[in-house]
Amino acid sequence: GAGVSQSPSNKVTEKGKDVELRCDPISGHTALYWYRQSLGQGLEFLIYFQGNSAPDKSGLPSDRFSAERTGGSVSTLTIQRTQQEDSAVYLCASSLVGSGGYEQYFGPGTRLTVT
Amino acid sequence: AQTVTQSQPEMSVQEAETVTLSCTYDTSESDYYLFWYKQPPSRQMILVIRQEAYKQQNATENRFSVNFQKAAKSFSLKISDSQLGDAAMYFCAYRSAYGGATNKLIFGTGTLLAVQP
Repeated sequence: GAGVSQSPSNKVTEKGKDVELRCDPISGHTALYWYRQSLGQGLEFLIYFQGNSAPDKSGLPSDRFSAERTGGSVSTLTIQRTQQEDSAVYLCASSLVGSGGYEQYFGPGTRLTVT
Repeated sequence: AQTVTQSQPEMSVQEAETVTLSCTYDTSESDYYLFWYKQPPSRQMILVIRQEAYKQQNATENRFSVNFQKAAKSFSLKISDSQLGDAAMYFCAYRSAYGGATNKLIFGTGTLLAVQP
């Protein structure tokens, strides 16, 4: 079946603008993760959704970052008032369930460039 | 907190030869999972191999195998008969076996593998 998809593939925005990044997980996967990959910080966890439970937002770097997951499927990561340090590749992953050793399947990522 | 360390930023191997990528980790947990992911230039993270900490037997997937040393907290990846398509960034990752907020992957900084023809 289809894998995890993300849009847009690339996004260039001006400092101070808001951006929305979208993730479509694999159908039936209850767990969804956002990670950020940047030169300075490597790969870091941002937020985790599991079913209808409250999301784990412990990795969000500031209150300018937020995410939601509608209907247990599509997720949107929103960055308000973007800063140059937000430039990174944002990766989304989904897995059948969040617990156990279930594989996380990654999307191709969105490369965000803040000018 | 758990940490993952990859001490080799770059490695190179001749086609058809064998290469070993190193990974060490730190944790106080007794039950966890370890992974090696491959990231080619396309950015798509692909799972290469997975090891459950409670299993003593080292995982193997075709040309890829691991050397898991739990006491030493070491998890190296061996690629045999290297192919040009193996060229990529390789990330070692840790994941707790306990549920809830600890389901995230904790990644090392990666090793860029070049395969020479």
